[in-house]
Amino acid sequence: EAGVTQFPSHSVIEKGQTVTLRCDPISGHDNLYWYRRVMGKEIKFLLHFVKESKQDESGMPNNRFLAERTGGTYSTLKVQPAELEDSGVYFCASSQLGRLAGPYEQYFGPGTRLTVT
Amino acid sequence: LAKTTQPISMDSYEGQEVNITCSHNNIATNDYITWYQQFPSQGPRFIIQGYKTKVTNEVASLFIPADRKSSTLSLPRVSLSDTAVYYCLVGYNTDKLIFGTGTRLQVFP
Repeated sequence: EAGVTQFPSHSVIEKGQTVTLRCDPISGHDNLYWYRRVMGKEIKFLLHFVKESKQDESGMPNNRFLAERTGGTYSTLKVQPAELEDSGVYFCASSQLGRLAGPYEQYFGPGTRLTVT
Repeated sequence: LAKTTQPISMDSYEGQEVNITCSHNNIATNDYITWYQQFPSQGPRFIIQGYKTKVTNEVASLFIPADRKSSTLSLPRVSLSDTAVYYCLVGYNTDKLIFGTGTRLQVFP
């Protein structure tokens, strides 16, 4: 079974440009999450999809970030316009839905390293 | 949300047993304790999860005392490939994971 995949693995863009990151979750996983680690900081939650619906987007830093999950399959995270402080590693994770007790394990992708110059 | 405290780093030699303790004094009644492992240039990977007493799987054991205010991840006979960052997380729902700084384990030959 394929794991969570992310594309691209690395992106270098200039300040003010737009970048779109893609995440393909494990097939059948209804939960999809985005996280990011900014240089030297901890991994931080960005948002959570359940199928195509945004369940929690409390971690999105500002309106320059737009996440979508059309059809409840893959998801994209667009940063427009990118700023220097957006540099970091963006992780996507997915998990199953409906466990009776306790959190399901989340399966993480390898991350996309974004460098804004 | 329960705050966790764990050592910043630990060193070990191959073949030794490594125990990483995490403190979570304000853990809630329905919180679970979960450990993730992260290698460089990879996303975190689930290792083990427990609620109380002891849980064991093929890679690790998790010891949780009766008061649940701490937990210990035990890695038996570590190898060089166990060099990674280990995160202790406490929570109940599946909405989001709250990562701390983790413990950087370095295994030497």
